[in-house]
Amino acid sequence: NAGVTQTPKFRVLKTGQSMTLLCAQDMNHEYMYWYRQDPGMGLRLIHYSVGEGTTAKGEVPDGYNVSRLKKQNFLLGLESAAPSQTSVYFCASSDQRRGGWGNQPQHFGDGTRLSIL
Amino acid sequence: GEDVEQSLFLSVREGDSSVINCTYTDSSSTYLYWYKQEPGAGLQLLTYIFSNMDMKQDQRLTVLLNKKDKHLSLRIADTQTGDSAIYFCAENRGNSGGYQKVTFGTGTKLQVIP
Repeated sequence: NAGVTQTPKFRVLKTGQSMTLLCAQDMNHEYMYWYRQDPGMGLRLIHYSVGEGTTAKGEVPDGYNVSRLKKQNFLLGLESAAPSQTSVYFCASSDQRRGGWGNQPQHFGDGTRLSIL
Repeated sequence: GEDVEQSLFLSVREGDSSVINCTYTDSSSTYLYWYKQEPGAGLQLLTYIFSNMDMKQDQRLTVLLNKKDKHLSLRIADTQTGDSAIYFCAENRGNSGGYQKVTFGTGTKLQVIP
């Protein structure tokens, strides 16, 4: 059981280039999330999805787009990379807690380390 | 405030107990989590506590919740070098249209000295 898989693990881009980060989960979770992690700032939510075909903005969405065409995949796109987007990107997924209040904890991938020169 | 607050760094000797503290923001938060992040890896759920509890014990881990002060702590007994990592607390502010708003703290880096 792979859980949450992120590809690629590392990438170096030049300013202005575009790229897509892929997240795949095999737990049949409804909810998926993209975060960025920067030193001293914890995790900040970029975009999230509450189900196939849906996406929504998080805390820091500017400069990113997402798509959830299939339930198991959540893609994060950088349209025109900027040095400020140098970060570690984490994908997570979770499911709705059955018959109770609140949700299941989030399961995380191992991250994508992205450097923009 | 809006931030979940943690101290940035904690250093303990191997075999001692570690206590990592967190102050969260929303008194109506339903679940509070502790995650562990080892170098080069993602966050792994360590334990969580529901808001109607004030303590939860799981082997070497003890979570204490003070709802009045919105204070959460994680105690690791008999700390080992393998416990060296960054520890994040997070609060789940419950359902809002089916989406769980989870806010993470900035993380506490635990250094265990042999």
